[in-house]
Amino acid sequence: DQQVKQNSPSLSVQEGRISILNCDYTNSMFDYFLWYKKYPAEGPTFLISISSIKDKNEDGRFTVFLNKSAKHLSLHIVPSQPGDSAVYFCAANAGNMLTFGGGTRLMVKP
Amino acid sequence: DAGVIQSPRHEVTEMGQEVTLRCKPISGHDYLFWYRQTMMRGLELLIYFNNNVPIDDSGMPEDRFSAKMPNASFSTLKIQPSEPRDSAVYFCASRASGVSDTQYFGPGTRLTVL
Repeated sequence: DQQVKQNSPSLSVQEGRISILNCDYTNSMFDYFLWYKKYPAEGPTFLISISSIKDKNEDGRFTVFLNKSAKHLSLHIVPSQPGDSAVYFCAANAGNMLTFGGGTRLMVKP
Repeated sequence: DAGVIQSPRHEVTEMGQEVTLRCKPISGHDYLFWYRQTMMRGLELLIYFNNNVPIDDSGMPEDRFSAKMPNASFSTLKIQPSEPRDSAVYFCASRASGVSDTQYFGPGTRLTVL
């Protein structure tokens, strides 16, 4: 069973608009959530994180929202840029171990 | 500062051969993780170490896989004998305790077993 799910395998957005990537989880023991960005032939790069005691964390153009009651988190990118085109993974931490979602491929069109 | 270093970046071998993947974590990081990425299963944790000691190896697929961390700056993941279904990208990641739960990944090793 998948404990972390990203239901949208791909997302296409126009440059300058908002990108919203979603992630759902099932395990209530997750205490820390992260988003990673991955370009082809590279390792995942850490983007932004949020503790389970918070509901929002912002870093420049990137904001992560956490809804614990719904077991849902989202990543907002505003404004989207062509360089943001990549695969985005959400990950959830429990006991030093990360569980990853399947990824969402974001394409930002100029 | 250097990030996580992995070698080789690409490995092509024949079924039945031994394969050794190498990782150098970020200096000062006391946790090291090995992951495998495949189309079917995505990114999955194989094993992790804390202070060079293996803590959880429940993700290691079978006895053909083994991992060691002889010191704080070096770890290996060995597959013996290798099989075509082992073809995947293998990532190493590290993190520092007491800072955050953020793991930092290396560039990966793409393994192809023919």
